[in-house]
Amino acid sequence: KAGVTQTPRYLIKTRGQQVTLSCSPISGHRSVSWYQQTPGQGLQFLFEYFSETQRNKGNFPGRFSGRQFSNSRSEMNVSTLELGDSALYLCASSLEAGVLSYEQYFGPGTRLTVT
Amino acid sequence: AQSVTQLGSHVSVSEGALVLLRCNYSSSVPPYLFWYVQYPNQGLQLLLKYTSAATLVKGINGFEAEFKKSETSFHLTKPSAHMSDAAEYFCAVRSGANSKLTFGKGITLSVRP
Repeated sequence: KAGVTQTPRYLIKTRGQQVTLSCSPISGHRSVSWYQQTPGQGLQFLFEYFSETQRNKGNFPGRFSGRQFSNSRSEMNVSTLELGDSALYLCASSLEAGVLSYEQYFGPGTRLTVT
Repeated sequence: AQSVTQLGSHVSVSEGALVLLRCNYSSSVPPYLFWYVQYPNQGLQLLLKYTSAATLVKGINGFEAEFKKSETSFHLTKPSAHMSDAAEYFCAVRSGANSKLTFGKGITLSVRP
């Protein structure tokens, strides 16, 4: 079974631009979560989607948004990029949402650099 | 509220030596605990998880962890380190309804030949 895939793997953007990252979960998984990883803040939860609905949201500004499609694929968007948005963005999928024992399977991440 | 504390940012051991990576959690309700490993330029891979079935949990690559409620700990161990174990290790907790996964800051493990 194929793992979680994320595209693109690397991205360079200029401050003020916007960016869209894509995530395809493991086949059959219906929950997708997004995390931001930086050296200073570590791994921080952005949001979780299930059945095309946002179930949970972390403490990020409204510039960060996401959505999920009917096939469970998910995208996240960051508008008006700032230098501090440079990070590794990780997507994780899980069979269901709200079942705490279910592990999350992570993709390789998208490395975003804002200049 | 839930949180994870991983003391120290770097641990160095000799090949063949015991690996001990510490994790303490805070949760107002019974937690589910996870250890993940991250190799350079890769995502996170699950090593093991605690879901209340057994306090001693065995994972992949020879790792295991013991849940100790009285100490609010979930330390990761491996009897004999291998060079391929060099990576960053994250402890994480989930608790309560609709709860997000909260990670510790991570510990970088170095293995000396």
